[in-house]
Amino acid sequence: DAKTTQPTSMDCAEGRAANLPCNHSTISGNEYVYWYRQIHSQGPQYIIHGLKNNETNEMASLIITEDRKSSTLILPHATLRDTAVYYCIVKSLDDKIIFGKGTRLHILP
Amino acid sequence: GAVVSQHPSWVICKSGTSVKIECRSLDFQATTMFWYRQFPKQSLMLMATSNEGSKATYEQGVEKDKFLINHASLTLSTLTVTSAHPEDSSFYICSASDSNSGNTIYFGEGSWLTVV
Repeated sequence: DAKTTQPTSMDCAEGRAANLPCNHSTISGNEYVYWYRQIHSQGPQYIIHGLKNNETNEMASLIITEDRKSSTLILPHATLRDTAVYYCIVKSLDDKIIFGKGTRLHILP
Repeated sequence: GAVVSQHPSWVICKSGTSVKIECRSLDFQATTMFWYRQFPKQSLMLMATSNEGSKATYEQGVEKDKFLINHASLTLSTLTVTSAHPEDSSFYICSASDSNSGNTIYFGEGSWLTVV
């Protein structure tokens, strides 16, 4: 079973920041939080990952709570092309990824 | 990021035939690759872990004799769907772990299989 829970869907206005929450209350100390997104009919695209510190790259920012039981993916300026299903993943040491249902993000014009 | 490529992107085959899907890591070596399948409007389901030079490890409920996995080199894993049936029609996706980037997992573009 997936180790994360996410809202089923979210809407965000174009140009605004999209904040996608994820709960991973059973995460172990050496497990990473990864975020991927899947645009229709394509393979999942890597976005960002982190262990305990906040991370930022050209695509997004990842905020991980101090107790590591939850995290938030932030897309700073959402565009229509960011419409996708976003998956929050806890990656185990064997690199096996079990997908949950993800959050379907709709960017509204 | 690292690139994982699948071939073919889509394939149509007749019932009873076998079809092979390739997964390549283009700019890194991957001792471990993973195969998933995804039905419309559903999430990805892990089928098996492909280990270079050894047998694949299959998830519960996945028939190893039907979904043959071969990982003969550090950059190539293949999935062969044997004696295909229409219910095998699905989106098949592979992924690979890049040790050069802290074992970040990258996914291929996926392969659409339609069995007629």
